[in-house]
This record gives sequence, structure tokens and C-alpha cells, in this order.
Amino acid sequence: GENVEQHPSTLSVQEGDSAVIKCTYSDSASNYFPWYKQELGKRPQLIIDIRSNVGEKKDQRIAVTLNKTAKHFSLHITETQPEDSAVYFCAARSGGFKTIFGAGTRLFVKA
Amino acid sequence: DTAVSQTPKYLVTQMGNDKSIKCEQNLGHDTMYWYKQDSKKFLKIMFSYNNKELIINETVPNRFSPKSPDKAHLNLHINSLELGDSAVYFCASSQQGQVNYEQYFGPGTRLTVT
Repeated sequence: GENVEQHPSTLSVQEGDSAVIKCTYSDSASNYFPWYKQELGKRPQLIIDIRSNVGEKKDQRIAVTLNKTAKHFSLHITETQPEDSAVYFCAARSGGFKTIFGAGTRLFVKA
Repeated sequence: DTAVSQTPKYLVTQMGNDKSIKCEQNLGHDTMYWYKQDSKKFLKIMFSYNNKELIINETVPNRFSPKSPDKAHLNLHINSLELGDSAVYFCASSQQGQVNYEQYFGPGTRLTVT
């Protein structure tokens, strides 16, 4: 069945450094790849997304890249700040109704 | 002006009881979901409704029964609660046919079964 693998499960960086989270998906029909941020005790919220006809998208300090051939996509956060500390989920969706989430990456940004 | 709301926020109950969680969205979306997030934070889809019709039912025990009285509401009823049902349950909604399929999540309901 469809699967999304996410790595690493935990990531600790120093404030100001970059953080990279990587995901792979199995369903070649997937065409939409959102990233959600979940702060402690809060709901997941969309931070950036990318569609399959685009290779890269950037929004201030965050960027997402997509390699459709390899079925890889990644989240890049530059100049990390303590408020970036959260659990980040990648996800993949095909034209249907189901969005498959990765297992999440717990990001710690040390001040 | 809350987009997706859930009640209750916390639910503590004993094994064997029956409980319901309610969800409402005011975004005009046509698709709603229930997710279960366990202690390891894994988000697992349980059900999805599109225009009040069940379209996703992910190997969830029969003790869980969703009900969608209209497009804006999706409730979850759980019979004979078990310890393993303890988790945070998130409702979400999205609009099919849009360029993106962003899902808007509710605040979650933390269910504790003792």
C-alpha cells in the first residue's frame, strides 16, 4: 500500500544552523506534498506545500524540494530559531482523498 | 471564527464506556476526516467523508462509528472503550478540486481511557 517514510525521527540543531528533513513516498501517482508543523499540545498546521509539477518552492526561511524520479522530497529550514522547535510531518497525496503522513520529525533548536 | 472545532477538548472515561466526539467546520469544505495520533505522534487516518458519504475507512474496529449529518459536521462515536483507544483524535477538513488539498485540523480531543 501507499507509504511515506520520514527521516530523521529526531533532529537537534544549534540556533542559526540549518535543518533538513527528508521523505520518500511509494505511490508514483502522488502529486501533492504538504508539510505540517505541530507545536506541543497544538494542532498540525500547514507550513509549505509543493505540487508535482514544481521542483522547488521557497517561503522565507523554509523551502521544499521534490525529486519525482527518485520519489524524494525534503524540507529545508535555514537560520533556525527556538520557535522552530516542533514536530514536522511530511505527507503525500494522489488525486484521491487520502493523504499519507510520515511518522514525524521532532526538531529541537538549541538557543 | 474558529475554522474547525471539536468538543470536548479532553475526555477521561473508563473502559467499557461509550463516548462521542463532535466536529464542526465553518470553511464550507466538502471533505472531513478523523485522525488518531498516538503517544509516538504518528498521525493515522481513520475515516473520511465527502459530501456526507463515507469514502475512507481504514481498518478501524467496528467499535468506532463516524456519522456525518451534514457537510459541516463529522462526529465520532466509540463503543466499549479500551485502554488502547487512549490517544489524541483530530478532526480535519479540506476542499476537493482545489489546486492544493490543504487540510485544516481541529484542536484535537485528548481521550484517556482508564
